Amino acid sequence: DQQVKQNSPSLSVQEGRISILNCDYTNSMFDYFLWYKKYPAEGPTFLISISSIKDKNEDGRFTVFLNKSAKHLSLHIVPSQPGDSAVYFCAASASYDFGNEKLTFGTGTRLTIIP
Amino acid sequence: DAGVTQSPTHLIKTRGQHVTLRCSPISGHKSVSWYQQVLGQGPQFIFQYYEKEERGRGNFPDRFSARQFPNYSSELNVNALLLGDSALYLCASSLASNEQFFGPGTRLTVL
Repeated sequence: DQQVKQNSPSLSVQEGRISILNCDYTNSMFDYFLWYKKYPAEGPTFLISISSIKDKNEDGRFTVFLNKSAKHLSLHIVPSQPGDSAVYFCAASASYDFGNEKLTFGTGTRLTIIP
Repeated sequence: DAGVTQSPTHLIKTRGQHVTLRCSPISGHKSVSWYQQVLGQGPQFIFQYYEKEERGRGNFPDRFSARQFPNYSSELNVNALLLGDSALYLCASSLASNEQFFGPGTRLTVL
């Protein structure tokens, strides 16, 4: 049962344009969402997060949007740079279980920025 | 400041053997979680420890066990290795929040 879904395995975007990565979830208990970036042979690197009390969070070139009614979130990267080429994972957790903040991950989207 | 460190980087074992993976969290972080990442999939939660107590366990068999030490470092043990245990094992630490910081992982190959 895949509770966090990233339906696009890969995405190619021209350098300087906007990259939009999407994520859907099914568990209505999820109330905290994170995006991680992963290069080969490295662990995931935290990018940005959003709590369910917000619908947008911005950090530099990265913006995450949350649509709770649709159980959908997206990561926008503007402008896209060659160093953004990596696998991006969406993750979710439920804060109701304090001390057990396990993350449930999607399967990832490989982003390739074309120079 | 040092990030999360894991050892060893790579490991090759044969079926039926036992393996111990080690993790040192970011200084000051009291929570350590373990994840398994199989090729083409996202990381899957195995365990979370906070203040040396198990706080969560994922859907993994009893062959998987872990512990956390007084200095908050942690070990993941896997007994009776199967071919399907081949994966990247990731350790993450946090200040008991949802924001978890990952180490580089240990690549385990079971032959």
